[in-house]
Amino acid sequence: AQKITQTQPGMFVQEKEAVTLDCTYDTSDPSYGLFWYKQPSSGEMIFLIYQGSYDQQNATEGRYSLNFQKARKSANLVISASQLGDSAMYFCAMREGFMDSSYKLIFGSGTRLLVRP
Amino acid sequence: EPEVTQTPSHQVTQMGQEVILRCVPISNHLYFYWYRQILGQKVEFLVSFYNNEISEKSEIFDDQFSVERPDGSNFTLKIRSTKLEDSAMYFCASSEAGRGQPQHFGDGTRLSIL
Repeated sequence: AQKITQTQPGMFVQEKEAVTLDCTYDTSDPSYGLFWYKQPSSGEMIFLIYQGSYDQQNATEGRYSLNFQKARKSANLVISASQLGDSAMYFCAMREGFMDSSYKLIFGSGTRLLVRP
Repeated sequence: EPEVTQTPSHQVTQMGQEVILRCVPISNHLYFYWYRQILGQKVEFLVSFYNNEISEKSEIFDDQFSVERPDGSNFTLKIRSTKLEDSAMYFCASSEAGRGQPQHFGDGTRLSIL
């Protein structure tokens, strides 16, 4: 079974509008973390936002916020006021808390976002 | 802002040759990782390194792969005898201690095996 599922291979959004990128996860570990990364066409991986499983509030970082619904095992990324520079691949990733000597990330297959002017 | 640096940005190698990919993690970070991304696919975990030893590795990380931290700054990935299917983007990442700390990625090395 997939640990991280991103069901939207591609999304369009109009500039200045908000967009939600979906991510669902599967884990039996009560301690885990969810990350979102942006990968522009140039290829680098840019950290955007983090949500811990015990965090009471949804994470926010500037125009990025995370809609964390623990019971549904979903961690959707919301980008507000989209900009042309937001066009990129977006990956959801999970860290399961099995080992304190390794915090490996498991990635989803990604969503390609295209912002239209 | 400190960053993870990787060299080279692109490596072209003949099948069967050895290749070494180099990384300089962020200086105060304690956890180091290698990931790979085959063109158009998801990012896959290869290995994590902590306290001067491998702490976890995936099934991809077989005997052809090795990692080293030869000094206080460099972190290398060696592929002993490259195969065509090793062609991918290889990312180095590092993080501070703590479960909530994000992994910071380098810009990657694109490895092309001919």
